[in-house]
Amino acid sequence: QKEVEQDPGPLSVPEGAIVSLNCTYSNSAFQYFMWYRQYSRKGPELLMYTYSSGNKEDGRFTAQVDKSSKYISLFIRDSQPSDSATYLCAMRVGSNYKLTFGKGTLLTVNP
Amino acid sequence: DVKVTQSSRYLVKRTGEKVFLECVQDMDHENMFWYRQDPGLGLRLIYFSYDVKMKEKGDIPEGYSVSREKKERFSLILESASTNQTSMYLCASSTAPYGYTFGSGTRLTVV
Repeated sequence: QKEVEQDPGPLSVPEGAIVSLNCTYSNSAFQYFMWYRQYSRKGPELLMYTYSSGNKEDGRFTAQVDKSSKYISLFIRDSQPSDSATYLCAMRVGSNYKLTFGKGTLLTVNP
Repeated sequence: DVKVTQSSRYLVKRTGEKVFLECVQDMDHENMFWYRQDPGLGLRLIYFSYDVKMKEKGDIPEGYSVSREKKERFSLILESASTNQTSMYLCASSTAPYGYTFGSGTRLTVV
């Protein structure tokens, strides 16, 4: 079983839709959870950063962590064509500086 | 506002050549990383460094070496380039406990 599983998609939605992106993980020691957005031919950029279970909101983006289910989600409200990108989840154990990444989900938002 | 700079965006090299990929960060981060990214395989860690002159192998170090003589610079070396090293190479830096800052990537083609 891989440490981090992420559905690669592709996911195609109309503009204005609510998007849900998800990752599951197997290592219960993970404490820090991140979402990166990667546009085509660019490096990933940090979108959301959370510690422990619960929700964190930033504009149209909400990151959710459920440690009991080993499940994290990223919700995008009122999705825009500019949100079209690959989204990667990432996580790390508290004392370790190495991140473990999911393989990424390709999202397309159609105008 | 560029924080992690990779010296080349696109590079074409011949089989057997020695290839140097350079990465510079201006954030005084201790940790630096080299990844390659391939379709369907996600991000794979090649090498990382947590201090000057320190290095550790990642998941796929074969055929690569690294050099970190100064804190801000981390170089990836392909000793004898092969066609299976054609890939997108991403450099990142970090300071605990935060996430990575990535460069824009170098798309390397070995012919």
